[in-house]
Amino acid sequence: DTGVSQDPRHKITKRGQNVTFRCDPISEHNRLYWYRQTLGQGPEFLTYFQNEAQLEKSRLLSDRFSAERPKGSFSTLEIQRTEQGDSAMYLCASSLGGATDTQYFGPGTRLTVL
Amino acid sequence: AQSVSQHNHHVILSEAASLELGCNYSYGGTVNLFWYVQYPGQHLQLLLKYFSGDPLVKGIKGFEAEFIKSKFSFNLRKPSVQWSDTAEYFCAVNPGSWGKLQFGAGTQVVVTP
Repeated sequence: DTGVSQDPRHKITKRGQNVTFRCDPISEHNRLYWYRQTLGQGPEFLTYFQNEAQLEKSRLLSDRFSAERPKGSFSTLEIQRTEQGDSAMYLCASSLGGATDTQYFGPGTRLTVL
Repeated sequence: AQSVSQHNHHVILSEAASLELGCNYSYGGTVNLFWYVQYPGQHLQLLLKYFSGDPLVKGIKGFEAEFIKSKFSFNLRKPSVQWSDTAEYFCAVNPGSWGKLQFGAGTQVVVTP
């Protein structure tokens, strides 16, 4: 069990640029979640995949944000035309699902938009 | 609005003191409950979880939590803290069947030697 991995760990970009983050879940976990965490707050749900299907998106996820999980394994989160308000830690979690569903988190990608 | 509330944002205590962190939620019906911990420089780790059964659950590193349904609470406790328990603690609730977590704002715990 290698855990959830995320890449990159840190990203600094200029306002208006596009960025893409990758998440590799624990193998055989069919559920994958994206959260965003800002300073002094707990993680906030962004979106969720069951295998390759994106089943829910938060209202926090504006149309500048898009996520994919094309083969039901790794996932990418893209932010287009970044804004300073997008600066945050982006967390990925995965789980097996079921009645005792438990999410395991990756180390996160810290985004700084200048 | 449905929410998860953690009562204290910062707690400072000495080694060997007892710790209790409050968590209340506003969801009705069946919920799954979690406490996660984030040590300095590390990622979120699961401390303990409650799905059903005995409302007193034990987790890693000597932590336990008690689910009180009538009070919509899931408080975290440790009888005697160590310096290594310095971390941020998050309560989380899964109000639905598919796993989305609603987190509290977190409590920063500092244990002094």
